[in-house]
Amino acid sequence: AQRVTQPEKLLSVFKGAPVELKCNYSYSGSPELFWYVQYSRQRLQLLLRHISRESIKGFTADLNKGETSFHLKKPFAQEEDSAMYYCALSGAGGSNYKLTFGKGTLLTVNP
Amino acid sequence: DTEVTQTPKHLVMGMTNKKSLKCEQHMGHRAMYWYKQKAKKPPELMFVYSYEKLSINESVPSRFSPECPNSSLLNLHLHALQPEDSALYLCASSQETGRDEQFFGPGTRLTVL
Repeated sequence: AQRVTQPEKLLSVFKGAPVELKCNYSYSGSPELFWYVQYSRQRLQLLLRHISRESIKGFTADLNKGETSFHLKKPFAQEEDSAMYYCALSGAGGSNYKLTFGKGTLLTVNP
Repeated sequence: DTEVTQTPKHLVMGMTNKKSLKCEQHMGHRAMYWYKQKAKKPPELMFVYSYEKLSINESVPSRFSPECPNSSLLNLHLHALQPEDSALYLCASSQETGRDEQFFGPGTRLTVL
């Protein structure tokens, strides 16, 4: 079975401060990890995925297979980063390829 | 066109009504999905269509009936729903099933009275 854990339901930081949203996963094979973001009144959209190794809007995430983690980081948070962030995992083969979401972390960046 | 569209935006129905939700994409994606999202919760997968064939049904009650008339359209037929079925219903599509990025629609806000 595949499982994604986001331990923080809420995270509040000040503008300009570093931010880290934690994500741990459970999957016996080789997973594909994603971060999706949902801004207020907007649709759910992909922020980044581990396989692309890109930095989007200043966010980065590194897959750590030893710690089974995929934490999302940004060195200097902006007010426009306030949103709900979901970590998600897709397994391999058969029905495992379905996207399993964590419960989400609501990030608030205060001025 | 690089968006997934959903209609209607809002729907209120009684428990004896029959209604349908519609989803459309013109990105040439061959996989389409229905999710249910309750307030402040993550999306829960309901159905997956791959090349217009149902490939995953996450043990969804039969009062929800999906249909994929062609590669661009996905419907969700609703009948005899319960108040607890009230939620945001999201449609998504991806190039193929597997590990491709999923593109989400804005959702239909369903209220069952």
